[in-house]
Amino acid sequence: NAGVTQTPKFQVLKTGQSMTLQCAQDMNHEYMSWYRQDPGMGLRLIHYSVGAGITDQGEVPNGYNVSRSTTEDFPLRLLSAAPSQTSVYFCASSYSMGRQGGQETQYFGPGTRLLVL
Amino acid sequence: KNEVEQSPQNLTAQEGEFITINCSYSVGISALHWLQQHPGGGIVSLFMLSSGKKKHGRLIATINIQEKHSSLHITASHPRDSAVYICAVKGNYGGSQGNLIFGKGTKLSVKP
Repeated sequence: NAGVTQTPKFQVLKTGQSMTLQCAQDMNHEYMSWYRQDPGMGLRLIHYSVGAGITDQGEVPNGYNVSRSTTEDFPLRLLSAAPSQTSVYFCASSYSMGRQGGQETQYFGPGTRLLVL
Repeated sequence: KNEVEQSPQNLTAQEGEFITINCSYSVGISALHWLQQHPGGGIVSLFMLSSGKKKHGRLIATINIQEKHSSLHITASHPRDSAVYICAVKGNYGGSQGNLIFGKGTKLSVKP
């Protein structure tokens, strides 16, 4: 198993450019999520999905779009990058967020470091 | 208002010391997670618990639901334990039900 993979590892964008951060998992997990991590702050939820075709907003969704066409993939799109979106982005997955017994163990990708100039 | 508070923010210890990191939360929860973020940035899940105590190697996690408090203990600390330790809770209320709320993390440095 590759676990949770993210690409790219590092990206520099200019203000106004768009891009897609890729996230994939090969564990057949239902729940996938995107977080951003900024200095001095905890991880903040951007968007999440509880299964293919189902997505919802988290705490900081503005400026980001997601889709979940397959169980494996959960891309995050920046529509028009802004300097405030400079951050480290983590994708995570788990079997479910509603079940008990260890199936909610979170698996994180290695992160994407994004710099918006 | 932070719903999940960790203390201390930074902790320096000598190799072999017993370490305690604390997490307090102000919301109703169904589970609490402890995560470890390596200096290289990767995040690994250590524990998920909803009551009592769990142990894995030199790591012990406890939770007191009534007091809304959890602790992560490291026995016989080692320089390789140097990392940021993150507490996260799964809320059981409102629209955020099922999603995790994260603390800001505790940066641990263990000196040889």
